[in-house]
Amino acid sequence: QSALTQPASVSGSPGQSITISCAGTSSDIGHYDSVSWYQQYPGRAPQLLIYDVTQRPSGVSDRFSASKSGNTASLTISGLRVEDEAEYYCCSHATTSTWVFGGGTTVTVL
Amino acid sequence: QVQLVESGGVVVQPGGSLRLSCAASGFTFSNFVIHWVRQAPGKGLEWVALVADDVNNRKYADSVKGRFTIYRDNSKNTVYLQMNSLRTEETSVYYCARERWGSLYFDYWGPGTLVTVSS
Repeated sequence: QSALTQPASVSGSPGQSITISCAGTSSDIGHYDSVSWYQQYPGRAPQLLIYDVTQRPSGVSDRFSASKSGNTASLTISGLRVEDEAEYYCCSHATTSTWVFGGGTTVTVL
Repeated sequence: QVQLVESGGVVVQPGGSLRLSCAASGFTFSNFVIHWVRQAPGKGLEWVALVADDVNNRKYADSVKGRFTIYRDNSKNTVYLQMNSLRTEETSVYYCARERWGSLYFDYWGPGTLVTVSS
């Protein structure tokens, strides 16, 4: 199972919006509405940010939103803040009954 | 509160074996699938294995199939990952994470344990 494809880095100024793409296949993203996104700070464990493509867990800011079209999912961060600087990973269940992650995207606030 | 705590990470030689533990607390353990996910230094996340409450429901990534075994002891609220024939490229932080059965996402993660495979 190949990893999902994310851009290595995305940057933006405070207050701007940025979008991270996550490209998969018809065997993962395109097959299930189970895309999740995780935020990871250096030296820390990943934390759930988005589940079921668009849902935010309690406590996650509504500045984070996500969507899916075909085999590609996207995460948008609105009103970018310094504290949003982190690594972001997409993830999907796959038809092989396994899970596949994206390679990760480093978000930098300029 | 929900807690997952990994342990057992050490330095091991290539070809060696190691058993990791993931101790859970703060939730009904048998209602959750437990996964192992690893992260090599400076690299991304890689899903490794899962075990559901049904002892026959275990899945592995192709990269570890036949070498790693995942199992759980519900009486101890603990999941184990037995790793054999370890390779240098498997040096990673190993995280355990929980999935409410069928939800297909990981809502809590442990802090991780570092496994170093080196001679």
